[in-house]
Amino acid sequence: SQTIHQWPATLVQPVGSPLSLECTVEGTSNPNLYWYRQAAGRGLQLLFYSVGIGQISSEVPQNLSASRPQDRQFILSSKKLLLSDSGFYLCAWGSSYEQYFGPGTRLTVT
Amino acid sequence: AQRVTQPEKLLSVFKGAPVELKCNYSYSGSPELFWYVQYSRQRLQLLLRHISRESIKGFTADLNKGETSFHLKKPFAQEEDSAMYYCALYNYGQNFVFGPGTRLSVLP
Repeated sequence: SQTIHQWPATLVQPVGSPLSLECTVEGTSNPNLYWYRQAAGRGLQLLFYSVGIGQISSEVPQNLSASRPQDRQFILSSKKLLLSDSGFYLCAWGSSYEQYFGPGTRLTVT
Repeated sequence: AQRVTQPEKLLSVFKGAPVELKCNYSYSGSPELFWYVQYSRQRLQLLLRHISRESIKGFTADLNKGETSFHLKKPFAQEEDSAMYYCALYNYGQNFVFGPGTRLSVLP
């Protein structure tokens, strides 16, 4: 069966520091992968999606970037974090039929 | 542009009362619509999809193209239904567009 992992579960980082969040999927090949941010009162916002290795589409211009170095690995990064980057980040894989979400990472930028 | 709106941030009902979570969308084509749910300390997960015309945990949702709505309904709410509910639209560009979510609180 397919599983999706995210780490770390929680992260506290100072403003201006770099960020790297990792997401991996098992049990499926060539999945569509997604990064979302879940903010209180603002719902679920799609940040990036990828349909294959090295193929990244950005939905919202911001301080973050994404990369897909391997088929089942999706990384969310930042060179310098802002206070506004705080939030709950969700990785997902799926298709038009359904999205499967990871457990999420709670990021607090101080 | 595709957009999904959920007018209520918080909805409180008493156990046994009917519940309706509202969802409206804007999309130029024929939409595929979904409801996702996130229970406390659990992952966000699919509740139901309109193409399946299914009832899950007593919930149903009917697509009304005239009113561009996909409201989620349950005749008798249970305390375990308390959760965050997201309406979502698939736009055939490999993307899902999610609404801002409604927190349902079912009171005893």
